[in-house]
Amino acid sequence: QKEVEQNSGPLSVPEGAIASLNCTYSDRVSQSFFWYRQYSGKSPELIMSIYSNGDKEDGRFTAQLNKASQYVSLLIRDSQPSDSATYLCAVSARGTYKYIFGTGTRLKVLA
Amino acid sequence: NAGVMQNPRHLVRRRGQEARLRCSPMKGHSHVYWYRQLPEEGLKFMVYLQKENIIDESGMPKERFSAEFPKEGPSILRIQQVVRGDSAAYFCASSPQGQGATDTQYFGPGTRLTVL
Repeated sequence: QKEVEQNSGPLSVPEGAIASLNCTYSDRVSQSFFWYRQYSGKSPELIMSIYSNGDKEDGRFTAQLNKASQYVSLLIRDSQPSDSATYLCAVSARGTYKYIFGTGTRLKVLA
Repeated sequence: NAGVMQNPRHLVRRRGQEARLRCSPMKGHSHVYWYRQLPEEGLKFMVYLQKENIIDESGMPKERFSAEFPKEGPSILRIQQVVRGDSAAYFCASSPQGQGATDTQYFGPGTRLTVL
């Protein structure tokens, strides 16, 4: 079982719709969770971090964390073509600094 | 407000040559991490360094790869006798504290290594 799993996609949504990206992790002691966006040929860019169960909102982005079920999700409201990218989920455990990345979900927002 | 800087951005080497990748962390950051991203794969942790110290190199291949972060100057990832399988994007990240739980890592633009 992979430590951090994401559906590779592509996930296609029409412009203006809500895009829902999911990530599951296997290590129960994981404590910190991050979503990065990576455009093709570019570096990962931090979108959100979340540490506590529940929702965290930042503009059009909402991160949701459920530690009991070991999943974290990212919702993108009012999706734009410029949101088309690969979204990477990263997890780190208490007291560590290593980020464990999923392989990413490719999102396509159709104009 | 410079971010993490990496150079070169693109590097082409022939098999058997050496590759040197450089990383300057964000201002105020003293913790550096190197990750490798193979085509169509996620980022894999390689090594974590503080100034003059290697804290964790558990993700580094046992041979040919080394890293340093001297007191002065950038962090360097060195790959000796490169092989085609070393072709990848190498990303450096930095963080201010290295505390793990709430210490966010910020990534540089990466160095894309191509081995001919």
